[in-house]
Amino acid sequence: GAVVSQHPSRVICKSGTSVKIECRSLDFQATTMFWYRQFPKQSLMLMATSNEGSKATYEQGVEKDKFLINHASLTLSTLTVTSAHPEDSSFYICSAPRQGVGNEQFFGPGTRLTVL
Amino acid sequence: GDSVTQMEGPVTLSEEAFLTINCTYTATGYPSLFWYVQYPGEGLQLLLKATKADDKGSNKGFEATYRKETTSFHLEKGSVQVSDSAVYFCALSEANSKLTFGKGITLSVRP
Repeated sequence: GAVVSQHPSRVICKSGTSVKIECRSLDFQATTMFWYRQFPKQSLMLMATSNEGSKATYEQGVEKDKFLINHASLTLSTLTVTSAHPEDSSFYICSAPRQGVGNEQFFGPGTRLTVL
Repeated sequence: GDSVTQMEGPVTLSEEAFLTINCTYTATGYPSLFWYVQYPGEGLQLLLKATKADDKGSNKGFEATYRKETTSFHLEKGSVQVSDSAVYFCALSEANSKLTFGKGITLSVRP
């Protein structure tokens, strides 16, 4: 089946630093990717839609200057958490829909961010 | 807005027990409904789906029927196995492909 990878799987950083998370579709092209955030024992919350060749679309309440999204190619989207603070600590998950498979979305394994 | 409500967990069952995980939804239109499963250390995987009322999705012995009258999509399996231990998410999607998830429920199956 289709595979989506994320890197890194886990990152610990100091408050005030920026962290970049990569999401790659390994065997298919994705013009759209989605970024989610998951708090412990909570559901996945959609943060933004990453669009190849254009600006990302952010959900209400998500700061676009805080969470920078770049869809650099048809197989890569990056999420950069800028000036991270402890409240940004969370589990970040990306997904990519694959056309021709009923637009089924394939999910990455997630990135655990801990901000000290 | 759209929302998905799942029963509270966690759930612990013995092998070969019957499983039901409740899921109800609120949507403005006519959504597609999904169950995703997340095995330990892995990403979410689509378990089954239904795209219209009265459709039944099924996979790996799991079933769920799209009930428009009760706005429900309960997940069932007649005989669970240890390998079914995972986190299960109910979700819906309207036409724009965006997914709205429930909180997820952890299932543990004892040998």
